[in-house]
Amino acid sequence: AQSVAQPEDQVNVAEGNPLTVKCTYSVSGNPYLFWYVQYPNRGLQFLLKYITGDNLVKGSYGFEAEFNKSQTSFHLKKPSALVSDSALYFCAVRDVEGGADGLTFGKGTHLIIQP
Amino acid sequence: DAMVIQNPRYQVTQFGKPVTLSCSQTLNHNVMYWYQQKSSQAPKLLFHYYDKDFNNEADTPDNFQSRRPNTSFCFLDIRSPGLGDAAMYLCATSQGQFRYEQYFGPGTRLTVT
Repeated sequence: AQSVAQPEDQVNVAEGNPLTVKCTYSVSGNPYLFWYVQYPNRGLQFLLKYITGDNLVKGSYGFEAEFNKSQTSFHLKKPSALVSDSALYFCAVRDVEGGADGLTFGKGTHLIIQP
Repeated sequence: DAMVIQNPRYQVTQFGKPVTLSCSQTLNHNVMYWYQQKSSQAPKLLFHYYDKDFNNEADTPDNFQSRRPNTSFCFLDIRSPGLGDAAMYLCATSQGQFRYEQYFGPGTRLTVT
């Protein structure tokens, strides 16, 4: 079975500072990893994904994430936070070797950027 | 703009009264998914279609069914809603399986009275 852990319910960052939202995963094989953002009363928006290749992936709105196979992590980062980045962030995984096609999501992390 | 559309955005139904939620897409994607998201929880996959092939998750209650009459439309039917079925229901599409990202609609918030 595949699973995702987002250890922080909430992350608070001052505007202009770097931010990190943590994610670790568990799959039986190799993972496909995704980050999504959700604004209040809205659906999820795709930010970025890791499929294969370079461990550092860049996505929308200046976000990036680093795949670390030895630590089974896929932390989301941004060098300089904006107030508009405040939202709910979900990490998600699929097992490359099969199983359900749908995404398994973490429980989400509220990111709050303080002016 | 190509998108995933869900109607209605808010739905109120009575306990035990059947309800249908709809999803349409202009992306021409092969795969359509339905997720249930309860308050402060992660979205949970209910089922998905790859073209006309229906794939039900093992723990999806029998009370939940789905129809996909054509590529563009997909429906979620709840035969006898209970209070525990109150949630946000998210429709998503994907160009293909596994490595492809999913595009989500805005969701339908279902209230059961």
